[in-house]
Amino acid sequence: AQTVTQSQPEMSVQEAETVTLSCTYDTSESNYYLFWYKQPPSRQMILVIRQEAYKQQNATENRFSVNFQKAAKSFSLKISDSQLGDTAMYFCAFMAGGTSYGKLTFGQGTILTVHP
Amino acid sequence: DSGVTQTPKHLITATGQRVTLRCSPRSGDLSVYWYQQSLDQGLQFLIQYYNGEERAKGNILERFSAQQFPDLHSELNLSSLELGDSALYFCASSLLSSGGPTGELFFGEGSRLTVL
Repeated sequence: AQTVTQSQPEMSVQEAETVTLSCTYDTSESNYYLFWYKQPPSRQMILVIRQEAYKQQNATENRFSVNFQKAAKSFSLKISDSQLGDTAMYFCAFMAGGTSYGKLTFGQGTILTVHP
Repeated sequence: DSGVTQTPKHLITATGQRVTLRCSPRSGDLSVYWYQQSLDQGLQFLIQYYNGEERAKGNILERFSAQQFPDLHSELNLSSLELGDSALYFCASSLLSSGGPTGELFFGEGSRLTVL
């Protein structure tokens, strides 16, 4: 079974600053995917960024980037130039490939507050 | 807007009752997934259907059941409701049982169930 751990229940950052959210996972799978989802107060689950485990290059989506350390089983999210609209709960999630596809295992979440 | 529609958005009922939550996946998506988000358990996978057939089960209680109809919409039936069943129930969809081309699940806005 996979586990995902987010050790920071809450984080805060000033607008325009950079913040990093931590995530570690445990798995014996070799084929898997990692995701960061954002859940704003509207409660919609929004995909922020994804990483395929076989890719060594860290994924980047505009102001969002990850630091994927496969050997350490670490998958942190960096948000640059933080904006007020980034205020949300952020979930790290793991998905094994193959027949387990679609079964996301989520971390406990990190509440991020961006202050003006 | 993810294209996944869930109804109702909010539902209040009493213990012992039965409710049905409905999900319409994105146009063309064959897989539907149900997730539960509660304060106690966090976000957890319940069940997956692909083109009308059950594909995978997670931590779904025996009091809960689901199905996917020929038009690909899905329903999650919750019976003999208990206070602890109060949660946000998400439906997600993807094109294939092995996820879409990008491995992404598209989430609906969820159905908030309150059991009194």
